[in-house]
Amino acid sequence: ETGVTQTPRHLVMGMTNKKSLKCEQHLGHNAMYWYKQSAKKPLELMFVYSLEERVENNSVPSRFSPECPNSSHLFLHLHTLQPEDSALYLCASSQSTGVTDTQYFGPGTRLTVL
Amino acid sequence: AQSVAQPEDQVNVAEGNPLTVKCTYSVSGNPYLFWYVQYPNRGLQFLLKYITGDNLVKGSYGFEAEFNKSQTSFHLKKPSALVSDSALYFCAVRSTSGTYKYIFGTGTRLKVLA
Repeated sequence: ETGVTQTPRHLVMGMTNKKSLKCEQHLGHNAMYWYKQSAKKPLELMFVYSLEERVENNSVPSRFSPECPNSSHLFLHLHTLQPEDSALYLCASSQSTGVTDTQYFGPGTRLTVL
Repeated sequence: AQSVAQPEDQVNVAEGNPLTVKCTYSVSGNPYLFWYVQYPNRGLQFLLKYITGDNLVKGSYGFEAEFNKSQTSFHLKKPSALVSDSALYFCAVRSTSGTYKYIFGTGTRLKVLA
Protein backbone atom coordinates (compact mmCIF):
# COMPACT_ATOMS: atom_id res chain seq x y z
CA GLU A 1 0.00 0.00 0.00
CA THR A 2 2.91 2.36 -0.14
CA GLY A 3 2.04 2.96 -3.81
CA VAL A 4 -1.00 5.12 -3.00
CA THR A 5 -1.26 6.80 0.38
CA GLN A 6 -4.20 8.66 1.91
CA THR A 7 -4.43 10.97 4.90
CA PRO A 8 -6.06 11.12 7.30
CA ARG A 9 -7.13 7.52 7.73
CA HIS A 10 -10.05 8.52 9.93
CA LEU A 11 -11.95 11.79 10.09
CA VAL A 12 -14.89 12.89 12.19
CA MET A 13 -16.46 16.21 11.31
CA GLY A 14 -19.52 18.24 12.02
CA MET A 15 -21.89 19.35 9.32
CA THR A 16 -20.52 22.90 9.36
CA ASN A 17 -16.84 22.00 9.25
CA LYS A 18 -14.45 22.29 6.34
CA LYS A 19 -11.85 19.59 5.90
CA SER A 20 -9.71 18.09 3.16
CA LEU A 21 -8.70 14.57 2.25
CA LYS A 22 -5.29 14.03 0.70
CA CYS A 23 -4.07 11.36 -1.68
CA GLU A 24 -0.56 10.84 -2.99
CA GLN A 25 0.60 8.27 -5.51
CA HIS A 26 4.20 7.13 -5.85
CA LEU A 27 3.70 5.06 -9.00
CA GLY A 28 4.37 7.62 -11.70
CA HIS A 29 0.78 7.40 -12.91
CA ASN A 30 -1.07 10.04 -14.90
CA ALA A 31 -4.65 9.40 -13.81
CA MET A 32 -6.22 9.67 -10.37
CA TYR A 33 -9.68 8.92 -9.05
CA TRP A 34 -11.92 9.48 -6.04
CA TYR A 35 -14.43 6.78 -5.06
CA LYS A 36 -17.04 6.58 -2.33
CA GLN A 37 -17.63 3.22 -0.65
CA SER A 38 -20.79 2.86 1.40
CA ALA A 39 -21.99 -0.28 3.12
CA LYS A 40 -23.96 -2.69 0.93
CA LYS A 41 -23.50 -0.53 -2.18
CA PRO A 42 -21.13 -0.81 -5.14
CA LEU A 43 -18.21 1.58 -5.24
CA GLU A 44 -19.27 4.93 -6.65
CA LEU A 45 -16.87 6.79 -8.91
CA MET A 46 -16.86 10.47 -7.96
CA PHE A 47 -14.12 12.22 -9.96
CA VAL A 48 -11.47 11.36 -12.54
CA TYR A 49 -8.36 13.38 -13.29
CA SER A 50 -6.07 12.75 -16.23
CA LEU A 51 -2.83 14.74 -16.44
CA GLU A 52 -4.20 17.07 -13.76
CA GLU A 53 -7.34 17.84 -15.77
CA ARG A 54 -10.73 16.78 -14.46
CA VAL A 55 -12.27 14.52 -17.07
CA GLU A 56 -15.27 13.22 -15.20
CA ASN A 57 -17.54 14.51 -12.50
CA ASN A 58 -20.06 11.84 -11.72
CA SER A 59 -22.95 14.07 -10.61
CA VAL A 60 -21.32 14.71 -7.27
CA PRO A 61 -22.82 17.43 -5.03
CA SER A 62 -20.88 20.67 -4.90
CA ARG A 63 -20.11 20.18 -1.21
CA PHE A 64 -17.35 17.89 -2.53
CA SER A 65 -14.64 19.81 -4.37
CA PRO A 66 -11.64 18.00 -5.88
CA GLU A 67 -8.25 19.48 -6.62
CA CYS A 68 -5.32 17.97 -8.51
CA PRO A 69 -2.30 20.29 -8.32
CA ASN A 70 0.01 17.79 -10.01
CA SER A 71 -0.08 14.21 -11.23
CA SER A 72 1.04 12.83 -7.86
CA HIS A 73 -1.42 14.59 -5.57
CA LEU A 74 -5.19 14.66 -5.32
CA PHE A 75 -7.33 16.40 -2.74
CA LEU A 76 -10.99 16.24 -1.86
CA HIS A 77 -12.21 19.38 -0.11
CA LEU A 78 -15.28 18.89 2.05
CA HIS A 79 -17.72 21.50 3.37
CA THR A 80 -21.21 21.47 4.86
CA LEU A 81 -21.49 17.72 4.54
CA GLN A 82 -24.52 15.65 5.47
CA PRO A 83 -24.62 12.54 7.68
CA GLU A 84 -25.32 10.41 4.60
CA ASP A 85 -21.89 11.42 3.30
CA SER A 86 -20.33 9.21 5.97
CA ALA A 87 -18.42 6.51 4.09
CA LEU A 88 -15.00 5.21 3.16
CA TYR A 89 -13.42 7.48 0.55
CA LEU A 90 -10.92 5.74 -1.67
CA CYS A 91 -8.33 7.26 -3.92
CA ALA A 92 -6.93 5.33 -6.88
CA SER A 93 -4.42 5.89 -9.65
CA SER A 94 -3.63 4.29 -12.99
CA GLN A 95 -1.06 4.76 -15.71
CA SER A 96 -3.70 6.39 -17.88
CA THR A 97 -7.47 6.33 -18.24
CA GLY A 98 -7.17 3.58 -20.85
CA VAL A 99 -9.80 0.89 -20.56
CA THR A 100 -7.31 -1.90 -19.87
CA ASP A 101 -5.31 0.01 -17.26
CA THR A 102 -5.38 -1.33 -13.74
CA GLN A 103 -6.34 1.05 -10.97
CA TYR A 104 -4.38 0.90 -7.73
CA PHE A 105 -6.16 1.96 -4.58
CA GLY A 106 -5.10 3.66 -1.39
CA PRO A 107 -6.22 2.47 2.05
CA GLY A 108 -9.05 4.99 2.23
CA THR A 109 -10.24 7.65 4.64
CA ARG A 110 -13.09 6.62 6.92
CA LEU A 111 -15.28 9.73 7.17
CA THR A 112 -17.96 10.19 9.80
CA VAL A 113 -20.23 13.22 9.58
CA LEU A 114 -22.06 14.05 12.81
CA ALA B 1 -26.58 -0.77 -19.48
CA GLN B 2 -23.39 -2.22 -18.14
CA SER B 3 -23.61 -4.24 -14.95
CA VAL B 4 -21.82 -6.73 -12.76
CA ALA B 5 -23.49 -9.24 -10.48
CA GLN B 6 -21.96 -11.07 -7.57
CA PRO B 7 -24.84 -13.33 -6.61
CA GLU B 8 -23.49 -14.40 -3.22
CA ASP B 9 -23.13 -11.94 -0.36
CA GLN B 10 -21.03 -14.46 1.54
CA VAL B 11 -19.18 -17.66 0.77
CA ASN B 12 -17.96 -20.01 3.50
CA VAL B 13 -15.31 -22.60 2.79
CA ALA B 14 -13.15 -24.84 4.93
CA GLU B 15 -9.41 -24.25 4.93
CA GLY B 16 -7.70 -26.43 2.35
CA ASN B 17 -10.82 -26.78 0.20
CA PRO B 18 -11.17 -25.16 -3.21
CA LEU B 19 -13.03 -21.87 -3.34
CA THR B 20 -15.08 -20.13 -6.00
CA VAL B 21 -16.43 -16.59 -5.91
CA LYS B 22 -18.91 -15.95 -8.70
CA CYS B 23 -19.20 -12.98 -11.02
CA THR B 24 -21.35 -12.39 -14.08
CA TYR B 25 -21.38 -9.32 -16.23
CA SER B 26 -23.38 -7.53 -18.90
CA VAL B 27 -21.68 -5.08 -21.27
CA SER B 28 -21.84 -3.95 -24.84
CA GLY B 29 -18.49 -4.13 -26.56
CA ASN B 30 -15.54 -6.20 -25.43
CA PRO B 31 -15.37 -6.75 -21.68
CA TYR B 32 -12.31 -6.18 -19.56
CA LEU B 33 -12.69 -7.88 -16.20
CA PHE B 34 -10.92 -7.36 -12.90
CA TRP B 35 -10.88 -8.88 -9.43
CA TYR B 36 -9.94 -6.95 -6.33
CA VAL B 37 -9.72 -7.97 -2.68
CA GLN B 38 -10.32 -5.75 0.34
CA TYR B 39 -9.09 -6.61 3.81
CA PRO B 40 -10.57 -4.87 6.86
CA ASN B 41 -9.67 -1.17 7.06
CA ARG B 42 -7.72 -1.38 3.84
CA GLY B 43 -8.19 -0.24 0.28
CA LEU B 44 -8.82 -2.54 -2.66
CA GLN B 45 -5.88 -4.65 -3.81
CA PHE B 46 -5.64 -5.78 -7.41
CA LEU B 47 -5.67 -9.56 -7.88
CA LEU B 48 -5.94 -10.20 -11.62
CA LYS B 49 -7.51 -9.07 -14.86
CA TYR B 50 -8.70 -10.46 -18.17
CA ILE B 51 -8.02 -8.37 -21.23
CA THR B 52 -7.69 -10.84 -24.09
CA GLY B 53 -6.15 -14.19 -24.90
CA ASP B 54 -6.15 -17.22 -22.61
CA ASN B 55 -9.46 -17.58 -20.80
CA LEU B 56 -7.71 -18.74 -17.62
CA VAL B 57 -6.00 -15.86 -15.90
CA LYS B 58 -3.56 -16.36 -13.03
CA GLY B 59 -3.09 -13.67 -10.42
CA SER B 60 -1.68 -12.86 -7.02
CA TYR B 61 -1.73 -15.13 -3.94
CA GLY B 62 -2.55 -18.26 -5.96
CA PHE B 63 -5.86 -16.96 -7.29
CA GLU B 64 -7.06 -17.53 -10.82
CA ALA B 65 -10.18 -16.68 -12.78
CA GLU B 66 -11.82 -18.15 -15.83
CA PHE B 67 -13.40 -15.97 -18.48
CA ASN B 68 -16.43 -17.62 -20.07
CA LYS B 69 -17.85 -15.54 -22.88
CA SER B 70 -20.89 -17.68 -23.55
CA GLN B 71 -21.95 -17.57 -19.90
CA THR B 72 -20.74 -13.98 -19.44
CA SER B 73 -18.95 -15.05 -16.28
CA PHE B 74 -15.59 -14.44 -14.66
CA HIS B 75 -15.47 -16.59 -11.54
CA LEU B 76 -12.57 -16.32 -9.12
CA LYS B 77 -11.03 -19.57 -7.95
CA LYS B 78 -8.30 -20.95 -5.74
CA PRO B 79 -7.44 -24.64 -5.41
CA SER B 80 -6.78 -24.57 -1.66
CA ALA B 81 -8.19 -21.85 0.59
CA LEU B 82 -6.27 -20.28 3.46
CA VAL B 83 -7.74 -18.61 6.54
CA SER B 84 -5.84 -15.49 5.48
CA ASP B 85 -7.91 -15.38 2.27
CA SER B 86 -10.90 -14.26 4.34
CA ALA B 87 -11.81 -10.83 2.96
CA LEU B 88 -14.24 -8.95 0.72
CA TYR B 89 -13.87 -9.65 -2.99
CA PHE B 90 -15.00 -7.33 -5.76
CA CYS B 91 -15.46 -8.06 -9.44
CA ALA B 92 -15.36 -5.15 -11.87
CA VAL B 93 -15.83 -4.67 -15.59
CA ARG B 94 -14.90 -2.05 -18.13
CA SER B 95 -15.69 -2.22 -21.81
CA THR B 96 -14.68 -0.68 -25.08
CA SER B 97 -18.01 1.11 -25.16
CA GLY B 98 -17.62 2.50 -21.66
CA THR B 99 -15.91 5.56 -20.31
CA TYR B 100 -13.44 5.73 -17.47
CA LYS B 101 -15.67 3.79 -15.17
CA TYR B 102 -15.14 0.51 -13.57
CA ILE B 103 -18.53 -1.01 -12.89
CA PHE B 104 -18.12 -2.79 -9.58
CA GLY B 105 -20.14 -5.58 -8.09
CA THR B 106 -21.46 -5.27 -4.56
CA GLY B 107 -18.80 -7.61 -3.23
CA THR B 108 -18.70 -11.12 -1.80
CA ARG B 109 -17.43 -11.77 1.68
CA LEU B 110 -15.29 -14.89 1.80
CA LYS B 111 -14.89 -16.69 5.12
CA VAL B 112 -12.36 -19.46 5.30
CA LEU B 113 -12.92 -21.61 8.36
CA ALA B 114 -10.05 -23.33 10.14
